[in-house]
Amino acid sequence: GNSVTQMEGPVTLSEEAFLTINCTYTATGYPSLFWYVQYPGEGLQLLLKATKADDKGSNKGFEATYRKETTSFHLEKGSVQVSDSAVYFCALSIGGGSNYKLTFGKGTLLTVNP
Amino acid sequence: NAGVTQTPKFRVLKTGQSMTLLCAQDMNHEYMYWYRQDPGMGLRLIHYSVGEGTTAKGEVPDGYNVSRLKKQNFLLGLESAAPSQTSVYFCASSYAGGNSPLHFGNGTRLTVT
Repeated sequence: GNSVTQMEGPVTLSEEAFLTINCTYTATGYPSLFWYVQYPGEGLQLLLKATKADDKGSNKGFEATYRKETTSFHLEKGSVQVSDSAVYFCALSIGGGSNYKLTFGKGTLLTVNP
Repeated sequence: NAGVTQTPKFRVLKTGQSMTLLCAQDMNHEYMYWYRQDPGMGLRLIHYSVGEGTTAKGEVPDGYNVSRLKKQNFLLGLESAAPSQTSVYFCASSYAGGNSPLHFGNGTRLTVT
């Protein structure tokens, strides 16, 4: 079956530090890959996505590249801010219509200290 | 611009009681979903719908029922609540499947005592 594995947290960084959150996946077929972010007390919201191999998704200074050869979609940011403190979820989707499935990783809590 | 609205925001039930969680979206999305979020488990899909009048089981459907009588609404029912159903429930919608992004509500925190 399809699955997503992301690094366990929590991750604690100082402001302006470099961030990497690892994500690897297992899927049959050709998935689309996503990063969602959940700020405290809110629902998830899409951060970025990539739909085919070698695509790079980017948003708000975050980036992730779809690596088919390593089945990975690691999230990076060069300089984190306190406002980036949140839970980050890696996810994949595959199929369509009534066979559509979106599978989430377990989430990684990021705390950025001033 | 309301997006996805969930009601109620909080609820406490006793074991065996029933309740319905309401989700409404104003984006004319075809697909709607119910997830539960538990510590260390991430998000797990309970049920979903690919259009008005249709529903399908997700990863953890037992103990829940759903209905999609109107395109904009997706109801999640608990007929006989159990402590194992204590969780945060999220509704989401998307324009279609595949790589369409999901839009989430702010969640309902349910405690079953």
